[in-house]
Formats: sequence, structure tokens, C-alpha cells
Amino acid sequence: NAGVTQTPKFQVLKTGQSMTLQCAQDMNHNSMYWYRQDPGMGLRLIYYSASEGTTDKGEVPNGYNVSRLNKREFSLRLESAAPSQTSVYFCASSGLAGGPKDDEQYFGPGTRLTVT
Amino acid sequence: AQSVTQPDIHITVSEGASLELRCNYSYGATPYLFWYVQSPGQGLQLLLKYFSGDTLVQGIKGFEAEFKRSQSSFNLRKPSVHWSDAAEYFCAVSSGGSYIPTFGRGTSLIVHP
Repeated sequence: NAGVTQTPKFQVLKTGQSMTLQCAQDMNHNSMYWYRQDPGMGLRLIYYSASEGTTDKGEVPNGYNVSRLNKREFSLRLESAAPSQTSVYFCASSGLAGGPKDDEQYFGPGTRLTVT
Repeated sequence: AQSVTQPDIHITVSEGASLELRCNYSYGATPYLFWYVQSPGQGLQLLLKYFSGDTLVQGIKGFEAEFKRSQSSFNLRKPSVHWSDAAEYFCAVSSGGSYIPTFGRGTSLIVHP
């Protein structure tokens, strides 16, 4: 049981390049999330998917797109990377069958992205 | 809207000393409350959670937290800190079934030998 996995672990992009961050979970969770973490800012939600087939914007969605490929996978795409998108990106998942445990999140190890 | 405040950006303690990390939340109904820990270079790991019932909850690694409704607080405690506890600690609150917890900005714990 791997939990939440993310690829790649590290990435360096030039301004204007595009890339997709991959996330997969093997816990049969309904909901998946993408956060970015910047010093002093805590975690900020970029996008989330409450269930397979749905996606919604979070606090900081500009410059990003997401795809909930299936129940297991949730990808984050940067179409034209900017230096302001230099950050650590975390994927998380939650939710099995309803109730308060739905709000308990499981996190991946993160992707450290630098845009030059 | 729900919100979480962690008043301390950094906390420094000596190894073996007791620890209390503060968390205050703003939410109208009974919240679901969480503490997560993030070791350097790692993702977040759940330490403990409060949904209902006993207001003193036990977590992993010897941590506990107490829910105080009158103070809108959920402070994290540990009686004796180990050097390996040095990490970033995040408090989070959700409304139950909302799928979207709100996180505090984190408290960085530094442990002196």
C-alpha cells in the first residue's frame, strides 16, 4: 500500500515551459487535492476534486489546470510556467464512505519545482 | 468562513522540555480539528484528530491535544520533546464532509540539545 505518490520529485523549468505533475493514490479515496507550499504562507489549495469526474478551483487556481483521470489519478498542469510558480507542490487525498474521516487528508511527498 | 490561526511562527525548546503549540479556529458549528506534522523535505503526516467526544485526544509520537470550545482552541502538547520532533506543525479545521480543511500557516519547532 503506497498511499499517495507524486512524480516527479524535483523539476526545473524555464519560464514559458509547460509540465504536468502526476499524483496517484491507492486508498480508494473519493477526493483529491493539489496544494502549493511557500515559506510563511502555509498550504494553499490550488484545485480539488471531490469525486471522480468533478474538479473545482481552490484559493490560487490561476496558471494551473487539473485533470481527474480516474478515481486513482489527479494531475496538475502548468501551461506556461512563471517564476511565481516556484514552490513545493503537494497532492493529497481523503474520503472513503462518508462521515468525519472524509476530512482526514493523506499527503504525497511533494514535488519541488523551480522556474527560472 | 472557517479560519485557523497559529500565533507562533517559531518555537524553540530544549530537548526533554515540555511543548505546547497553539491553535485557534473560527467556525460556527462543531469543527473537525487536526494536527499534522511535516518533517524537513517530507509531506504532511496526521498526528491526531478531534471529531467528537472526549476533548483530550491522543495521537502518534506521544502527542496530545485538547479541544476547548469556550476558547476556540485546539492546542498541541507533548510532555518531553525529543530532537526528532523538530519539524513544521500545522493545525487544520473542517466543517465535516466539506472535503476541504483550512490549514494554519504552521509553527516551526526547533529543538536544542
